[in-house]
Amino acid sequence: GIQVEQSPPDLILQEGANSTLRCNFSDSVNNLQWFHQNPWGQLINLFYIPSGTKQNGRLSATTVATERYSLLYISSSQTTDSGVYFCAVPNANDYKLSFGAGTTVTVRA
Amino acid sequence: KAGVTQTPRYLIKTRGQQVTLSCSPISGHRSVSWYQQTPGQGLQFLFEYFSETQRNKGNFPGRFSGRQFSNSRSEMNVSTLELGDSALYLCASSFARGNTEAFFGQGTRLTVV
Repeated sequence: GIQVEQSPPDLILQEGANSTLRCNFSDSVNNLQWFHQNPWGQLINLFYIPSGTKQNGRLSATTVATERYSLLYISSSQTTDSGVYFCAVPNANDYKLSFGAGTTVTVRA
Repeated sequence: KAGVTQTPRYLIKTRGQQVTLSCSPISGHRSVSWYQQTPGQGLQFLFEYFSETQRNKGNFPGRFSGRQFSNSRSEMNVSTLELGDSALYLCASSFARGNTEAFFGQGTRLTVV
């Protein structure tokens, strides 16, 4: 299956700072999703982004499918942005999602 | 519209028992997948159901099984529970198989003692 690597594994930010999370994948993909896992464990959809750039408030994402990576940008971070961020891509032959290990973001007030 | 609903939210079982978890997908979604999340292994795929048929299965022992009903609701069952089965079990709902967006429920946190 597809290998997904996320970096950095941990990120500590001061409130108001900007940051970039990266997701690399080992094979061609037709879509990619970014999730934020809240403290109760639910995966919250952030972006469904096969290619190009999307923005949602202070968050934006860019996927460059030809180079097999995606970036998630957090601007003007807030304490509520804390949590684990996952990217996930589907295998071409069986559609199951392969997840990265996640980036744990801690935003300090 | 309502999101993906998983029940129960929390469960404590003893070794050797069996457990059944339930997942109601978003209305109109026909694909349901299950994932196990543990601190050591991360998020791992268990199985996928579409139109009441298991379409794909992850690398888990036969103690893990599931099914999907005609209304697309799904259940997963774990028999002869082991301590290592303690995990967060997440269900994902999609409109169709393949390149469609997946939406997750709140999960069922299973503790085996």
